Amino acid sequence: EVQLVESGGGLVQPGRSLRLSCTASGFTFGDYAMSWVRQGPGKGLEWVAFIRSKAYGGTTEYAASVKGRFTISRDDSKSIDYLQMNSLKTEDTAIYYCTKSYGGYFESWGQGTLVTVSS
Amino acid sequence: EIVLTQSPGTLSLSPGERATLSCRASQSVSSNYLAWYQQKPGQAPRLLIYAASSRATGTPDRFSGSGSGTDFTFTISRLEPEDFAVYYCQQYGNSLWTFGQGTKVEIK
Repeated sequence: EVQLVESGGGLVQPGRSLRLSCTASGFTFGDYAMSWVRQGPGKGLEWVAFIRSKAYGGTTEYAASVKGRFTISRDDSKSIDYLQMNSLKTEDTAIYYCTKSYGGYFESWGQGTLVTVSS
Repeated sequence: EIVLTQSPGTLSLSPGERATLSCRASQSVSSNYLAWYQQKPGQAPRLLIYAASSRATGTPDRFSGSGSGTDFTFTISRLEPEDFAVYYCQQYGNSLWTFGQGTKVEIK
């Protein structure tokens, strides 16, 4: 059974940094792309970041709203992917979901971790 | 960026009725790379349909998807009590993945 467990969320002041982690199990982590999708309070879904598997170069993509501030990375030896979030803004407040991606769609989802950016 | 517009915003129906949801793209979705997700309150989204019409593992056959280019449809043939939720479409035809704003299917 695929399991994705996010951690690292919390309350942070604007302008500060936070790193989210996603620990995966139940599948061969290194064979899959991974993504982060967020959902602001009472809002819809917004794709944030994507990292391909090493077989496809491990390259990354970012939404315009976070490009230059967020960095996605992966450690295949530990089956963990990360989302480093810098220069956080109040509008980054959301539940952040880790997803296992296949062909660009989001096949499996974690339960999410809440990030609140507020002074 | 491809903008996805879902309609209606809210659909009020009774159990046993048919639900038809629309997702319209601002430009053609490459290779019909469109997915549908279900989200219930307090839960993570769940993939139901990918490639416009292929059911994900475990998706009941009362759920179906169709369409191509810029116009896509998601249908629930007979609503079960557990189907009342918010549904999102998502395109993955290019490297800037986008979601529609969602359609809420509520009990009438």
